[in-house]
Order: sequence, then structure tokens, then C-alpha cells
Amino acid sequence: QQQVKQSPQSLIVQKGGISIINCAYENTAFDYFPWYQQFPGKGPALLIAIRPDVSEKKEGRFTISFNKSAKQFSLHIMDSQPGDSATYFCAASKGRYGGATNKLIFGTGTLLAVQP
Amino acid sequence: DTGVSQDPRHKITKRGQNVTFRCDPISEHNRLYWYRQTLGQGPEFLTYFQNEAQLEKSRLLSDRFSAERPKGSFSTLEIQRTEQGDSAMYLCASSLDAYGYTFGSGTRLTVV
Repeated sequence: QQQVKQSPQSLIVQKGGISIINCAYENTAFDYFPWYQQFPGKGPALLIAIRPDVSEKKEGRFTISFNKSAKQFSLHIMDSQPGDSATYFCAASKGRYGGATNKLIFGTGTLLAVQP
Repeated sequence: DTGVSQDPRHKITKRGQNVTFRCDPISEHNRLYWYRQTLGQGPEFLTYFQNEAQLEKSRLLSDRFSAERPKGSFSTLEIQRTEQGDSAMYLCASSLDAYGYTFGSGTRLTVV
């Protein structure tokens, strides 16, 4: 049962372009939606996260757009750079409603390649 | 370095052998998680500790897997009688609250 669906599987963007990765979730109890960036041989690193009480959050070149009614959220990377080439994972958790655990449910990942 | 430390980084073992991985979380973090990541997939939750108490285990964690966190500090994940299907990256993460995990670089296990 895949609770968080992520697309596309891979993405090629030219330097300076906008990278857009989409995720959809099923469980309305999810209340925390982070994006992680992972380089080869490294663990995932938290990039940016959003709670469902806002529709957008921006940190530098990274923006999350959140649509609660559609149960979708997306990551936008503005002015994409070759150094952004990595695998990106969306995730969701039931922070307030997940009991003590608050485990993250991850999407399947998007491999982003930014061409110079 | 004050991040999450995992040891070893790589482990190659023969099928049927036992292996043990270690995770040292960020010192003030009382929450510790183990995840498993296979090639081309996102990490999947295995188990969670709050201090020394193991509060949740995934159905993915068969009876060949055991995890401990003595004294609420470092944690170990042991796999007994390894199978080829156990080949994966095993990730440890820690956090201070319900959000904002910090992941280690993982232990890549190859079962031959």
C-alpha cells in the first residue's frame, strides 16, 4: 500500500530552469510534509517542510506548494543548478496523530539531473 | 562532527551469517529510528526508540531482525541468518521532537 505517490521518476532540467516534483497522499491524518534531498552514498537530508495550515512555504530557491483539498504537494526548485542534481523524496507523517512514533512515509523518489 | 554516525559504512556477508550495525545518534536526541532503503526506493520504516524503549516495530522487521538501544544512547540493529533479500541500505535517524529527523549516511549491506 503506497500512501505517498511521487512523480516523475526522473527529471532533466537545464541550468537556470525550474524543477517541479509532485506528490499525492491518501491519508488525511498526515499533518507534516517534508522534502528530503539525497546524494549518492549519503543519507537523506531535510530540505524543506510544510504543515497543512499554509498553502506555500519558500526557503531560498526551494518552494513547497500544498493543496489540502486535492491532497497534493509539490517541490519547486527555482534557478536549478548542477549542484542540485540528486534524488528527491517527499514524505508525510502524522505528527500530532501518530502517537509517539511519528514515522515518515516516503515517496519513491525523483532523480533530478540539472544539465550545465 | 555532531551528526548521526553509522558503522560500518559497508558490509558484505555470506548468506546465513549474522550481522550487526551500530548507530550513534546526535547526543541530545531522545528519538531514534531505523529505516531500510532498497535501490530506487524511498526509505521504509523499521523501528522506533524513545530513549531506551522500543515503541514500534514495522511488519517489515521479521523475527530475524532485532534492535536495541541500551541506556538510550547508541543503537544496534542485528540481522540473523541473512538472506539475499536483506541487501539494502540501513539508515538510522534521530530527532529531538516529532519532526526534523537527521539521518546518518547509512550502512550498505550486501548479502552474497
